[in-house]
Amino acid sequence: KQEVTQIPAALSVPEGENLVLNCSFTDSAIYNLQWFRQDPGKGLTSLLLIQSSQREQTSGRLNASLDKSSGRSTLYIAASQPGDSATYLCAVKSGANNLFFGTGTRLTVIP
Amino acid sequence: EAQVTQNPRYLITVTGKKLTVTCSQNMNHEYMSWYRQDPGLGLRQIYYSMNVEVTDKGDVPEGYKVSRKEKRNFPLILESPSPNQTSLYFCASSLAGGSLATDTQYFGPGTRLTVL
Repeated sequence: KQEVTQIPAALSVPEGENLVLNCSFTDSAIYNLQWFRQDPGKGLTSLLLIQSSQREQTSGRLNASLDKSSGRSTLYIAASQPGDSATYLCAVKSGANNLFFGTGTRLTVIP
Repeated sequence: EAQVTQNPRYLITVTGKKLTVTCSQNMNHEYMSWYRQDPGLGLRQIYYSMNVEVTDKGDVPEGYKVSRKEKRNFPLILESPSPNQTSLYFCASSLAGGSLATDTQYFGPGTRLTVL
């Protein structure tokens, strides 16, 4: 069964700093990998989706990479802002009908 | 606005009292799914549906039922809730599910359930 791990569990950075969130998974047979953002009291918002055939995806200040063979993905956030404070979840689509989620990294950007 | 809605958003109930959490999407998605989120365990899939009248178990289906009579609705039913079902529940939908690599899941706002 696919297992997804996110390290660190929590991260605090000063505003303006660039940062990297890490995600690892045990089974490289995946269809895609998604990064989500979760705000307290709200649902999950999809940030980026990387297909298994792709190496990276970019959206604004966010860049996600995928190394399927090593079972790793990173989410790079440039020039962090207080509004980026949230929990970031990594999810792997492995098996036709399920997403396997990590437990998330709680990010705090300090003004 | 394209969205997934859930009701209620918050619910406190007692052991054994049947309840239903509704989920509706307005994006004409084929695939819908229910997850529960617990501290330290992440999100785990309860049930999913590939289309109307087609449902299947996820990783943690015990104690739950679902139905898919209409494409837009996918209610989650707890026939006899127990305290270990206290959790944050999310409904999600996507265009097709299956092995489609471009398939993005859209999530509802969540339902926080407490069973006393």
